[in-house]
Amino acid sequence: QVQLQESGPGLVKPSQTLSLTCTVSGGSISSGGYYWSWIRQHPGKGLEWIGYIYYSGSTYYNPSLKNLVNISADTSKNQFSLNLSSVTAADTAVYYCARGSLSKEPRFDYWGQGTLVTVSS
Amino acid sequence: QSVLTQPPSASGTPGQRVTISCSGSSSNIGSNYVYWYQQLPGTAPKLLIYRNNQRPSGVPDRFSGSKSGTSASLAISGLRSEDEADYYCAVWDDSLSGWVFGGGTKLTVL
Repeated sequence: QVQLQESGPGLVKPSQTLSLTCTVSGGSISSGGYYWSWIRQHPGKGLEWIGYIYYSGSTYYNPSLKNLVNISADTSKNQFSLNLSSVTAADTAVYYCARGSLSKEPRFDYWGQGTLVTVSS
Repeated sequence: QSVLTQPPSASGTPGQRVTISCSGSSSNIGSNYVYWYQQLPGTAPKLLIYRNNQRPSGVPDRFSGSKSGTSASLAISGLRSEDEADYYCAVWDDSLSGWVFGGGTKLTVL
């Protein structure tokens, strides 16, 4: 059974970089054709896909966040990470990591529990 | 504002059938598969329907999905109290070149 777990600071100051890590167990992030993704949910709002890193290492980001986002992977630790730069209060959200299994289809079959990140001074 | 439009709320009594709509455009629903997610309070979303009308193993057949043109619907029959949750549609958008979600519909079981 694949499990994902987000970790990182719950509070980030405005203009700084938000950094989160997703630790995957029960499966390797470097095997299989999976899209290791980050998705966020603003308080009381809907879901927003941020981006993914493919098992091969290639990345793809939401065009609306493209210049601010970087997703990387550490296969030795079976983790992938999100960096979101120049954050503002509008980036306050619950951040989820999830495993996508199909290109161009939003099939996210495993999710982390989510972690709340608040942007505030 | 989400690319996909869902009603913010829906409600029904136990045993009833309710439907939740998801409206999009030719660049998303009109040309790609629609997915539905259920999010129970305080939890991560869970895949409910994939490829318009397919249920993952373990999802009761009370849940069904359909698509017509640039709109899709999720139907829940035999409504139960445990169905009270937020429901999201999702699809790939060819114009945005990314996955997009609807704004979500909060289902209340009266």
